[in-house]
Amino acid sequence: ETGVTQTPRHLVMGMTNKKSLKCEQHLGHNAMYWYKQSAKKPLELMFVYSLEERVENNSVPSRFSPECPNSSHLFLHLHTLQPEDSALYLCASSQPDRGGEKLFFGSGTQLSVL
Amino acid sequence: GEDVEQSLFLSVREGDSSVINCTYTDSSSTYLYWYKQEPGAGLQLLTYIFSNMDMKQDQRLTVLLNKKDKHLSLRIADTQTGDSAIYFCAERRNSGYALNFGKGTSLLVTP
Repeated sequence: ETGVTQTPRHLVMGMTNKKSLKCEQHLGHNAMYWYKQSAKKPLELMFVYSLEERVENNSVPSRFSPECPNSSHLFLHLHTLQPEDSALYLCASSQPDRGGEKLFFGSGTQLSVL
Repeated sequence: GEDVEQSLFLSVREGDSSVINCTYTDSSSTYLYWYKQEPGAGLQLLTYIFSNMDMKQDQRLTVLLNKKDKHLSLRIADTQTGDSAIYFCAERRNSGYALNFGKGTSLLVTP
């Protein structure tokens, strides 16, 4: 248990559906992240929130919409996805300390788009 | 290039040492990390090293950093079957907020 909880663990959706991924961190961190993990590719950073403000958006298509209502919760709203969006979506949180920006990850949501 | 490079696979026998290598991209990176991912799980931080160090030891784990060559390695002593997982190298660049990861090295430990 890393202190970062993601739900659901698995999600299957059609291309016309709308769904949301949820992430909650219990570590008191002030930054939260969404990463996409696809087979045989490096982890792709999608969004970064610091103190509830979006500070990084790595050219992610608008069909992915993040929301950070407070420092403990992060959502990723999904609509009209494509099959190539099927991947493991990982949430992480961090707090700067002597070890730099150590990220703590959730277990991920395995998304399949049909 | 812009990628953190790692070999994709490594197989070792139980009890042997494993060495996983990584080449990173930014000579001004301040921290370098090793993460472990077991099946069906997220990434777990194993260890990290600050860029002004050249070695760090933590129980069975030894991290070596060659800053001149931008080369990082993770040595696991007395490798066990429970060490089978994917190991990711990551760098903390001076620019941007988050870490830059490699594709991961799949370590298989055989009895």
